Amino acid sequence: GQNIDQPTEMTATEGAIVQINCTYQTSGFNGLFWYQQHAGEAPTFLSYNVLDGLEEKGRFSSFLSRSKGYSYLLLKELQMKDSASYLCAVKSGGSYIPTFGRGTSLIVHP
Amino acid sequence: GAGVSQTPSNKVTEKGKYVELRCDPISGHTALYWYRQSLGQGPEFLIYFQGTGAADDSGLPNDRFFAVRPEGSVSTLKIQRTERGDSAVYLCASSAQQGDNEQFFGPGTRLTVL
Repeated sequence: GQNIDQPTEMTATEGAIVQINCTYQTSGFNGLFWYQQHAGEAPTFLSYNVLDGLEEKGRFSSFLSRSKGYSYLLLKELQMKDSASYLCAVKSGGSYIPTFGRGTSLIVHP
Repeated sequence: GAGVSQTPSNKVTEKGKYVELRCDPISGHTALYWYRQSLGQGPEFLIYFQGTGAADDSGLPNDRFFAVRPEGSVSTLKIQRTERGDSAVYLCASSAQQGDNEQFFGPGTRLTVL
């Protein structure tokens, strides 16, 4: 089985930087996703990391360390609209199906 | 819009009733996935179709749950003898091909079993 752990809730200030961590335990790791989900809406794809290192995409960056079973999502220049749940998900064992963590609810306040 | 659509958006039913939830994937997408999401949880995998066939149904919780995709496009998730514990948001997603990393999710159907 897989075990994915991320904080339940985080708060941050508009304009600041926030880092959302995700740790996982799995065998046959293939890759790690980050999704954003606003309340009552569908998850939307943010990133997919396969190799170690940092991948930057605008205000959002995602980091992966395969040896440590660790990833983080970095959000810069926070905006109120970034208030959402951020889901970490892992693909492993050659499966096409990602396993999702419980999500981190991010609250951005003025 | 050419996104994934799901109907109905909300469904309220009574315990013991039968329900059908529909998913229209993005046109041309061959892979289709059903997930269930409870409040405060991430999506939980139910079943995955490649074309018309169920490639992986290991996530279906029991035999009250069944899904079909007869023409390789629209899919219907069917739940018999609904129970209060079935209440959740049922999400559908599609991807262009089997194994594609990006899945496109629909808005979900919120099912409430009274």
